[in-house]
Amino acid sequence: DGGITQSPKYLFRKEGQNVTLSCEQNLNHDAMYWYRQDPGQGLRLIYYSQIVNDFQKGDIAEGYSVSREKKESFPLTVTSAQKNPTAFYLCASSILGGDQPQHFGDGTRLSIL
Amino acid sequence: KQEVTQIPAALSVPEGENLVLNCSFTDSAIYNLQWFRQDPGKGLTSLLLIQSSQREQTSGRLNASLDKSSGRSTLYIAASQPGDSATYLCAVLGSGNTPLVFGKGTRLSVIA
Repeated sequence: DGGITQSPKYLFRKEGQNVTLSCEQNLNHDAMYWYRQDPGQGLRLIYYSQIVNDFQKGDIAEGYSVSREKKESFPLTVTSAQKNPTAFYLCASSILGGDQPQHFGDGTRLSIL
Repeated sequence: KQEVTQIPAALSVPEGENLVLNCSFTDSAIYNLQWFRQDPGKGLTSLLLIQSSQREQTSGRLNASLDKSSGRSTLYIAASQPGDSATYLCAVLGSGNTPLVFGKGTRLSVIA
């Protein structure tokens, strides 16, 4: 079955450490997205990519970095510059054009040690 | 900038009741509107997608309507069940392949 796989499900970060969250999709979607979700808040867009080797900043890109070397993969790095990284991170993908709904992974919960 | 608002933030109803969730958006120039369901600790699952040219979409006990000119959408859930308990989010897609803009969601509890 096609879908989006996020790993790991839970991740712990030490002070000053960079961590990378994995997102892989086998839906052949062109566009991929990273969102952050905090309790009581909606989804806030971190980065998105509509084509390989290109990506755009979302509303809260500071302290995060991404790459899009393959169509299937869109990893997110939470850098030490992100001072409040504890949150639930969701990856999504979609076709371009908006005729189909966006698909989501099951998320990664990041906590600080 | 597009803003999406969902009211109420939380709702508790007895099993069997019909209910309506509301979504409003500030810019009527949308391509489509999407309703999602999110269970605790999980990702979002698509429920319904309404294109800007459509007025409503139905799936089982769910019916979503869209009034683009007034910037409103409603999600109607018929004969609610405890299994419907979840957070429901709406999101709008603008033109030009811009990303979805999400509301903060309505947390629904259906009490048996």
